[in-house]
Amino acid sequence: AQTVTQSQPEMSVQEAETVTLSCTYDTSESDYYLFWYKQPPSRQMILVIRQEAYKQQNATENRFSVNFQKAAKSFSLKISDSQLGDAAMYFCAYRSDAQKLVFGQGTRLTINP
Amino acid sequence: NAGVTQTPKFQVLKTGQSMTLQCAQDMNHNSMYWYRQDPGMGLRLIYYSASEGTTDKGEVPNGYNVSRLNKREFSLRLESAAPSQTSVYFCASLKTGWVGETQYFGPGTRLLVL
Repeated sequence: AQTVTQSQPEMSVQEAETVTLSCTYDTSESDYYLFWYKQPPSRQMILVIRQEAYKQQNATENRFSVNFQKAAKSFSLKISDSQLGDAAMYFCAYRSDAQKLVFGQGTRLTINP
Repeated sequence: NAGVTQTPKFQVLKTGQSMTLQCAQDMNHNSMYWYRQDPGMGLRLIYYSASEGTTDKGEVPNGYNVSRLNKREFSLRLESAAPSQTSVYFCASLKTGWVGETQYFGPGTRLLVL
């Protein structure tokens, strides 16, 4: 079974600085999707960024980018120019068979003004 | 276009009571999912429906039943609620296409079982 591990329960960063959240996963599949979701206090799950495993180029969405290392099964999220609105729980997720998502435990990100 | 909607937003039950959580999506997606999120944890899949008329168990199906009423609606039923089912429940639907696939989540239902 696929597993997703986020080894950082909490992270903090100064406003306008850059922070990287770590995620590793375990799978025997060669084709899959990886995701980062943001969950603010409202509890809404918001998609931040998506990476297809067959793509070598790392995905980027404005201030958010990933470092996808397929051989190492690593999928980190970099947030540049951190803003107060980025404060939230961040979940890494792996797309399993039948499009089911397997989630990591989450990383709570605090932005210090 | 409301996306994925869930009702109710919050519910308190006594042990042994039953209830149904409702979910609807207006994006014409085929696949729908029910997850639960316990404190300090990520979401875990309860049941999913790959298409209208089909349902399958996920990681934590015990104590739950589901109905895919039509393409839009996917309900989750607790027949006899237990305190261990206190959680936040999320419904999601899956968008697929040439740009890739993405699950879209509802706002969640907070359930407290006393």
